[in-house]
Amino acid sequence: EVQLVETGGGLIQPGGSLRLSCAASGFTVSSNYMSWVRQAPGKGLEWVSAIYTGGSTYYADSVKGRFTISRDNSKNTLYLQMNSLRAEDTAVYYCARGQGRSGWGLFDHWGQGTLVTVSS
Amino acid sequence: AIRMTQSPSSFSASTGDRVTITCRASQGISSYLAWYQQKPGKAPKLLIYAASTLQSGVPSRFSGSGSGTDFTLTISCLQSEDFATYYCQHYYSYPPWTFGQGTKVEIK
Repeated sequence: EVQLVETGGGLIQPGGSLRLSCAASGFTVSSNYMSWVRQAPGKGLEWVSAIYTGGSTYYADSVKGRFTISRDNSKNTLYLQMNSLRAEDTAVYYCARGQGRSGWGLFDHWGQGTLVTVSS
Repeated sequence: AIRMTQSPSSFSASTGDRVTITCRASQGISSYLAWYQQKPGKAPKLLIYAASTLQSGVPSRFSGSGSGTDFTLTISCLQSEDFATYYCQHYYSYPPWTFGQGTKVEIK
């Protein structure tokens, strides 16, 4: 069974850093296209970042230069390093698996999400 | 980036109703269009991909159509468990992949 479990969220001051983790089971992270998607309180979904099987990475303009996506193949875990955090980064962050066969950005499995709150 | 526009933003309906939600892309995306359902406090769930292909396990009362820039999600006979927010999303080509703003289906 495919499972994704995010951890690492919390309350952080503006300008601070946080690293989110997404532990996967039931499939291999490095063989799939993985993304982070976020949802601000009461708002819609926003794609944040993706990492392809070959290691190429992509970012939304809103986080480019501040966030870094990576993975640890030995731990089968996806990460999102978030630096220079702003109030507008406050959101639930989901990791999601790209189905691949039908589309790299087609998300067939999602984690339960972890809440990041940026506030002083 | 490609913009996705859903309509309506919200509406009220009754159990048993046939409901339709529309999604328009700012440029052609072929059939690289997905629909997700999200309930409060839960992660989104994939319902339909490739504009009209039902994800495994999704009830047949859900259907999708369209290609290019105009798409629809139809629920043929609304059930109590279908009251939720629905999002369209394009996954055409390379990122950024964008979502519509969501359509909340509420109980009348």
